[in-house]
Amino acid sequence: AQTVTQSQPEMSVQEAETVTLSCTYDTSESNYYLFWYKQPPSRQMILVIRQEAYKQQNATENRFSVNFQKAAKSFSLKISDSQLGDTAMYFCAFQYNNNDMRFGAGTRLTVKP
Amino acid sequence: DGGITQSPKYLFRKEGQNVTLSCEQNLNHDAMYWYRQDPGQGLRLIYYSQIVNDFQKGDIAEGYSVSREKKESFPLTVTSAQKNPTAFYLCASSIAGGILFHTDTQYFGPGTRLTVL
Repeated sequence: AQTVTQSQPEMSVQEAETVTLSCTYDTSESNYYLFWYKQPPSRQMILVIRQEAYKQQNATENRFSVNFQKAAKSFSLKISDSQLGDTAMYFCAFQYNNNDMRFGAGTRLTVKP
Repeated sequence: DGGITQSPKYLFRKEGQNVTLSCEQNLNHDAMYWYRQDPGQGLRLIYYSQIVNDFQKGDIAEGYSVSREKKESFPLTVTSAQKNPTAFYLCASSIAGGILFHTDTQYFGPGTRLTVL
C-alpha cells in the first residue's frame, strides 16, 4: 500500500524568505503522480503543484518548486519569497490511479511579518 | 463560473439521524470523490464514482452511502451507523475515471463541516 509521510507538523518562516516542506512516500509503482495541495483557513483545498514521476525535470509554478528524488522517494516543496497569504496547511499527496490518492498528515506553515 | 459547490457549509445532526451532504460540479468531470478530514490527519477516501450510476467504496465507507444519478451530482449520506461522524467533508472531481493507470488532477469543493450534537 502507498503511504505518504510529512515529518514536519508545523513550520514558520519570515516574510520574503524561503522555506522547504518535506514529504516522503512509499510505493512499489514506477508510474505515478505527486501533488502539493494548500489548505488556507477557509479550508478550500487548492492545488499548488503537480509532478509526474516519469518526468525528471522538477515542476515549478511561480514561487513554488519541487525537489523530486525518485530513488529516494522524496518530494519536497520550496516556497520562495514567502508571502503572508502562503500561511496554510500544506498536504503532500500520491496518486497511482484515479481511485487511489493518498494524503500525508499535513504541515502547518505560518508566514510571519 | 465553473467549479464545485458543496452545501451546506455547516451542518448539525442529532445522534441517530441521517443527513445528506450535497456536491455539485459544472466542470463536466466524469469522476467524483468524497473525502473525510479529521484534525491532524490527511484526507481519507470514503467513496468514489468514475461514471454515472456507478460508485465504489473507499477506505472508510462504513456508515456512509452515495448515489450518482447525474454526472453533475454526487450526494453523500451520513447514516446513523457512522459511529463518529463529526468531521470536515470534502468533495472532489476529476476529468476522467475508470482508465487504469491514468490519472487526472482532482479539484476540490469548499467542504462541509458536520457536527453531531
